[in-house]
Amino acid sequence: EVQLLESGGALVQPGGSLRLSCAASGFTFSSYAMSWVRQAPGKGLEWVSSFTGTGDNTNYADSVKGRFTISRDNSKNTLYLQMNSLRAEDTAVYYCAKAISGTYFESWGQGTLVTVSS
Amino acid sequence: EIVLTQSPATLSLSPGEGATLSCRASQSVSSYLAWFQQKPGQAPRLLIYDASNRAAGIPARFSGSGSGTDFTLTISSLEPEDFAVYYCQHRSNWPLTFGGGTKVEIK
Repeated sequence: EVQLLESGGALVQPGGSLRLSCAASGFTFSSYAMSWVRQAPGKGLEWVSSFTGTGDNTNYADSVKGRFTISRDNSKNTLYLQMNSLRAEDTAVYYCAKAISGTYFESWGQGTLVTVSS
Repeated sequence: EIVLTQSPATLSLSPGEGATLSCRASQSVSSYLAWFQQKPGQAPRLLIYDASNRAAGIPARFSGSGSGTDFTLTISSLEPEDFAVYYCQHRSNWPLTFGGGTKVEIK
């Protein structure tokens, strides 16, 4: 059974940094594209960043480009999202997702809440 | 950026009725479209990918159709557990985008 467990969400001040983690199990992590998707309170879904394929190709939404960095450690079956220069509008539940066909989000974690506020 | 517009925003129906949800893209996404279901407090669940392929474990009452710019998610007969918010998403190019969602509520 695929399991994705996010952690690292917290209350952080504007301008601060946070690193989210997503521990994966139940599948061959290194063989799959992985992504982060977020959802602001009461709002819809917003794609944040993706590893496409199993290599090092990454993509970012314009809203986070230059501030967020996606990375992965295949030896630890873990996906990361380093978030710097956080803004109030980054407040959201952050989900990690395992992809099929590169960029369809087949399996999701339960999410971790990031709140950016002073 | 491709904008996905979902309609209606809210659909009020009774269990047993059929539901038709629309997703329109601002430019062609070929068949690179998915549909998700999300219930309160839960993560989204993939229902349909590549416009018409049901994801693993998804009941046959869910079907998707369309190509280019106009897509439809059809629920043939609503079960109580189907009342939720539904989102479409394209993977035609970067950035990936989602529609704003359609809430299917109990009438």
